[in-house]
Amino acid sequence: QSALTQPASVSASPGQSITISCTGTSSDIGDYNYVSWYQQHPDKAPTLIIFGVNNRPSGVSTRFSGSKSANTASLTISGLQPEDEGDYYCSSYTSARTVVFGGGTKVTVL
Amino acid sequence: QVQLVESGGGVVQPGKSLRLSCAASGFSFSAFGMYWFRQAPGKGLEWVAVLSYDGSKKYYADSVKGRFTISRDNSENTLHLQMNSLRAEDTSIYYCARARVDYDFWSGSSPWGQGTLVVVSS
Repeated sequence: QSALTQPASVSASPGQSITISCTGTSSDIGDYNYVSWYQQHPDKAPTLIIFGVNNRPSGVSTRFSGSKSANTASLTISGLQPEDEGDYYCSSYTSARTVVFGGGTKVTVL
Repeated sequence: QVQLVESGGGVVQPGKSLRLSCAASGFSFSAFGMYWFRQAPGKGLEWVAVLSYDGSKKYYADSVKGRFTISRDNSENTLHLQMNSLRAEDTSIYYCARARVDYDFWSGSSPWGQGTLVVVSS
């Protein structure tokens, strides 16, 4: 169960857009549309912001969007706002009937 | 509203056992798959186990297989995680979470509880 690969950190100014990549294999991201993204603020529980590669749960801002190409999924945050600062994790279902996470990406709003 | 409240965490010696519980309310507990996740201090998220709505299907991470057991009591709206042969590397905040939808427990998890801290130390 190897972890998915995410950049450790991404930073940008308010109003800009950022994209976080999440690279897996043909046994997880590449073969299934069960990619989710979670946002976690300091000392808080994670919250689901994207499911099924590119779907937003009710109440999640439209500034968050997801996509996938081959073995890599991506999360884009457009119009970056101060409250978007936090940690972001991708996850995927795998062929072994498990769930694997990325190592997390720390987003900093400059 | 949907609420998940974990309990049972604490300090335990290596090799010992601990049982975590997650009390669910605000939704039809018996209709949803349920998860346990964990997060070591200052580290990333790790999936631990998932259990189907009726308890018939359960899957585990390799790191806990054979040591941890996920179970549920639908009459009490409670999820459990029995943790045996605990190791220092099991030290984490343990979160329970509901499957996002009742018909597919692989399609993301939401919401999550606030977590309970387990420290394995002599």
